[in-house]
Amino acid sequence: DSGVTQTPKHLITATGQRVTLRCSPRSGDLSVYWYQQSLDQGLQFLIQYYNGEERAKGNILERFSAQQFPDLHSELNLSSLELGDSALYFCASSAQGMDYEQYFGPGTRLTVT
Amino acid sequence: DAKTTQPPSMDCAEGRAANLPCNHSTISGNEYVYWYRQIHSQGPQYIIHGLKNNETNEMASLIITEDRKSSTLILPHATLRDTAVYYCISRGGSQGNLIFGKGTKLSVKP
Repeated sequence: DSGVTQTPKHLITATGQRVTLRCSPRSGDLSVYWYQQSLDQGLQFLIQYYNGEERAKGNILERFSAQQFPDLHSELNLSSLELGDSALYFCASSAQGMDYEQYFGPGTRLTVT
Repeated sequence: DAKTTQPPSMDCAEGRAANLPCNHSTISGNEYVYWYRQIHSQGPQYIIHGLKNNETNEMASLIITEDRKSSTLILPHATLRDTAVYYCISRGGSQGNLIFGKGTKLSVKP
């Protein structure tokens, strides 16, 4: 158990819909990262937040957005969903100054039908 | 970030040492080498990292060549639970995100 929690574990939705994935980092960790893992693209970094502020952006689509709240939990919002958005979405967190050691949650498996 | 190259798959007998190679010939002086693993569909797990000296922790050892162009992750006594995809990542120390390649799928067999 990494200490990072993600909800829901599974999500099935239709094309065009919008979903929100939630992540609670390890206690005390200020950084939260979102990654997408699909069969054809592998693990792709999406975005990083540090203490509520966006720190780095990766291959995140404009249809996707994220935020980190004052209690440090984070949400990833995916809208206008397409079949190709079906993937495992992982959240990770790290302690201050130790962003190389990221603790990953169990992931949310999103299926778009 | 330096590009890393790993063999797509390897087998190892249970109880034997697993030696996973990684080539990072374009690594620059301030880039570290990090190793993560991902057991089937679970979140990746940090294993170890190093800059130029060999490193050891409770999970594994990391051997980096003197020219830093390659490294080897060593699991000294592999168990069936070590079956996973192992990722070698090279990046600067101040960067936040990790860039995962395809990794090496290690199969530990009884």
